[in-house]
Amino acid sequence: QVQLVESGGGVVQPGRSLRLSCAASGFTFSVYGIHWVRQAPGKGLDWVAVIWYDGSNKDYADSVKGRFTISRDNSKNTLYLQMNGLRAEDTAVYYCARAESSSGSNAFALWGQGTMVTVSS
Amino acid sequence: DIQMTQSPSSLSASVGDRVTITCRASQGITNYLAWYQQKPGKVPRLLIYGASTLQSGVPSRFSGTGSGTDFTLTISSLQPEDVATYYCQKYNSAPWTFGQGTKVEIK
Repeated sequence: QVQLVESGGGVVQPGRSLRLSCAASGFTFSVYGIHWVRQAPGKGLDWVAVIWYDGSNKDYADSVKGRFTISRDNSKNTLYLQMNGLRAEDTAVYYCARAESSSGSNAFALWGQGTMVTVSS
Repeated sequence: DIQMTQSPSSLSASVGDRVTITCRASQGITNYLAWYQQKPGKVPRLLIYGASTLQSGVPSRFSGTGSGTDFTLTISSLQPEDVATYYCQKYNSAPWTFGQGTKVEIK
């Protein structure tokens, strides 16, 4: 079954860290660029970061640059998002999404079910 | 950065109506434009890519047009199951910006 499954969400205090994971199955993970997209409660979709198929290139939204790090382990078919210095405005459902290209420059045809991150004291 | 602006923010239409949503890019993006549907409590679903190519499995009542800066998503005959929020997205380069969304309801 072709799917992406996120994990690692939870409640965290402002300023703390959290690492999200996205496990891929049913397809050749290592040939696709993968993105993180988030959605704050009741709000729209907000692109967060992308990583190329081989991890050689990464890009971030300005709102998370310097705080979040995207990475992948193709041997484990897993994508990660290390989130440091969390803020209340980072509260959202975080989705991983597969772009239909190796660089990530294509539409997102496959999405995970999302994992909720709540930043609150 | 290129901004994506959708209009309207919400609309209410009757079953069987033709519905049109527009998306405008602040700079030209040729046809690197996708449309997504997100039903309440669900994961976004890709409807259209390349501005006008229907994703496999998407009903033919959905269509997309446009190039450059102006794009439209049309539902030719609105069905109850089309109640959702629709987002456009540019995907030619970073940042992969989404429009703010258009909420479609049944009148």
